[in-house]
Amino acid sequence: ETGVTQSPTHLIKTRGQQVTLRCSSQSGHNTVSWYQQALGQGPQFIFQYYREEENGRGNFPPRFSGLQFPNYSSELNVNALELDDSALYLCASSLGGRVGNEQFFGPGTRLTVL
Amino acid sequence: AQSVTQLGSHVSVSEGALVLLRCNYSSSVPPYLFWYVQYPNQGLQLLLKYTSAATLVKGINGFEAEFKKSETSFHLTKPSAHMSDAAEYFCAVMVSRGGADGLTFGKGTHLIIQP
Repeated sequence: ETGVTQSPTHLIKTRGQQVTLRCSSQSGHNTVSWYQQALGQGPQFIFQYYREEENGRGNFPPRFSGLQFPNYSSELNVNALELDDSALYLCASSLGGRVGNEQFFGPGTRLTVL
Repeated sequence: AQSVTQLGSHVSVSEGALVLLRCNYSSSVPPYLFWYVQYPNQGLQLLLKYTSAATLVKGINGFEAEFKKSETSFHLTKPSAHMSDAAEYFCAVMVSRGGADGLTFGKGTHLIIQP
C-alpha cells in the first residue's frame, strides 16, 4: 500500500509569482485535504476535494485554488504569492463519505517566498 | 465553533517518566478528536482517535488518551517516556465545513525528553 506523497519537497519563489504543489493520495482514498502550517504553528485547513469537487474551504482567499483528478491525486495552486505564504503545505488523504475517518498526511512541501 | 486548546507549548520529562500532554476541546456536538505526532521536517502521523466508541483510546507507540466529557478534555499519556518520543504533538478536532470534514488543530506541544 503506497502512502501519501507530495512534490516537490522544497520550493523557493518570489513575491507575486504563482506556484503549484502536487499530492498523490493513498491507495483506495477518494478525498484529499490541504493544510498550511506556518513555522511554530499547527496546520490550518485550506480546503478539501472529494470526487474531483471542492466540498469545503477554510478561511483562505480565492487565490488559493485546487484540483482533484480522476485518480484522486490533487494540486494546490497559489497565485500572487505573498511573504506570509511561506509555510509547510501538507496534504492528507482519506476515505470520504463517513464522518470521522482519519486523514493520512504526506511529508509536506516547504514553500519559501522571498 | 469547534476548537482545541493545548496547554503548554513545551513539556519536558525525564526518560522513563510519565508523559502527560493536555488538550481541551470546545464543541457543541459530540466531537471526533485526534492526536498526531510530527517529527522534525516530516508530516503528521496519527497516534490515535476518539469517535465515541470508547472513552479510553489506545494508540501506537504506547500512547493512550481518555475522553472526559465533563471536563471537555482529551489528554494524551504514556506511562514511560522514551528518547524517541521527542517530537511535536498536535491535538485536533474534526469540524464539518459544508460537506468537508477538515481538522482544526491546536498550536502543538513540543515534548522534550531528558536523558
